Amino acid sequence: GQQLNQSPQSMFIQEGEDVSMNCTSSSIFNTWLWYKQDPGEGPVLLIALYKAGELTSNGRLTAQFGITRKDSFLNISASIPSDVGIYFCAGFNTGTASKLTFGTGTRLQVTL
Amino acid sequence: EAGVTQSPTHLIKTRGQQATLRCSPISGHTSVYWYQQALGLGLQFLLWYDEGEERNRGNFPPRFSGRQFPNYSSELNVNALELEDSALYLCASTLEQGRAEAFFGQGTRLTVV
Repeated sequence: GQQLNQSPQSMFIQEGEDVSMNCTSSSIFNTWLWYKQDPGEGPVLLIALYKAGELTSNGRLTAQFGITRKDSFLNISASIPSDVGIYFCAGFNTGTASKLTFGTGTRLQVTL
Repeated sequence: EAGVTQSPTHLIKTRGQQATLRCSPISGHTSVYWYQQALGLGLQFLLWYDEGEERNRGNFPPRFSGRQFPNYSSELNVNALELEDSALYLCASTLEQGRAEAFFGQGTRLTVV
């Protein structure tokens, strides 16, 4: 099945650093979402974006809906150890095929 | 309010057997999605149920099937298990058809030996 391309694939950062990751698609989506998954658990919804160009924050997380509707970005400021995990983007279009299409994931590891 | 619950947490089956996985959505949610996540990989869409009907299925063989019950809970059945079916199976629910915000359960880890 289709998967969205996320980069970077993995990253090691020091506690306190800012993190940026992005997600690109060959097709347009009208909703973008970002999830975080801890090992052995289900993904947890972090942020949802509904409009091209929209910038939304949730605490230290900020996400943007690309103006082309084919990409999205997630930033984490002042990272802490509990930010460790895999971050997935997901695109969604309403209609008869309504389903989330997920990205390949970005694995984040934080060193003290 | 309880989240999405899945059972069992872990399941070990022998190649060729059948597996049944269960999911209870968040109370009030009518749509249920199933995803497969092989080890270290992303989430692949399996099935979508809404109001008791199968609405869409991913690129998986027919031995992957399921249903949604009148109380909106759902069951995923995998027949003739193969070693490659070993994965984390995730269920998610949304408030209604057309809503993007999906909430996931903790998953069922299926191991085929």
